Amino acid sequence: NAGVTQTPKFQVLKTGQSMTLQCAQDMNHEYMSWYRQDPGMGLRLIHYSVGAGITDQGEVPNGYNVSRSTTEDFPLRLLSAAPSQTSVYFCASSYSGGLSNTEAFFGQGTRLTVV
Amino acid sequence: GENVEQHPSTLSVQEGDSAVIKCTYSDSASNYFPWYKQELGKRPQLIIDIRSNVGEKKDQRIAVTLNKTAKHFSLHITETQPEDSAVYFCAARTLSNDYKLSFGAGTTVTVRA
Repeated sequence: NAGVTQTPKFQVLKTGQSMTLQCAQDMNHEYMSWYRQDPGMGLRLIHYSVGAGITDQGEVPNGYNVSRSTTEDFPLRLLSAAPSQTSVYFCASSYSGGLSNTEAFFGQGTRLTVV
Repeated sequence: GENVEQHPSTLSVQEGDSAVIKCTYSDSASNYFPWYKQELGKRPQLIIDIRSNVGEKKDQRIAVTLNKTAKHFSLHITETQPEDSAVYFCAARTLSNDYKLSFGAGTTVTVRA
């Protein structure tokens, strides 16, 4: 059972470049989300999805796009990288219903540096 | 939206002592409160959670308490060990808000040998 697989682990981009961070889960979770982690700011929600074909903005969505064509995959696209997007990115997934099985499982993280 | 505040931001304790981290939340509709531990360079992992119909929950050396009236919850670690050194995040989830998890800013716990 692989859980949540996130790639790449490290990436360096030049300002203005675009890239896609990949996230896949094999737990049949409806809910998937992307967070960025910056020192002293905790985990901030970028975008999330409650199921295939449905996405919505989180707290800090500007400069990022997502899509959810399948239950398993939830890629995050940086359209035109900026130094302010230097961060550690985490993908997470969970069941979304009711009060049971709500644990969020995180991917291994992507350390992105924009120069 | 939900706002979760976490204190302290850093905590240093002597091995064997207790550690307490406190969080407050703003949305009275929040009903699920997990705690995550993140070791250096690793992903956050759930260590304990509590739901709004429960006031306290224990799992070996860790416990969480919830005060719904005051909208705050706390993590208690007893008999701390060096492997407890990590960053701890509290979070709150609202049933009515697409189940989004809102995280606190984190507490860096250092256990001194």
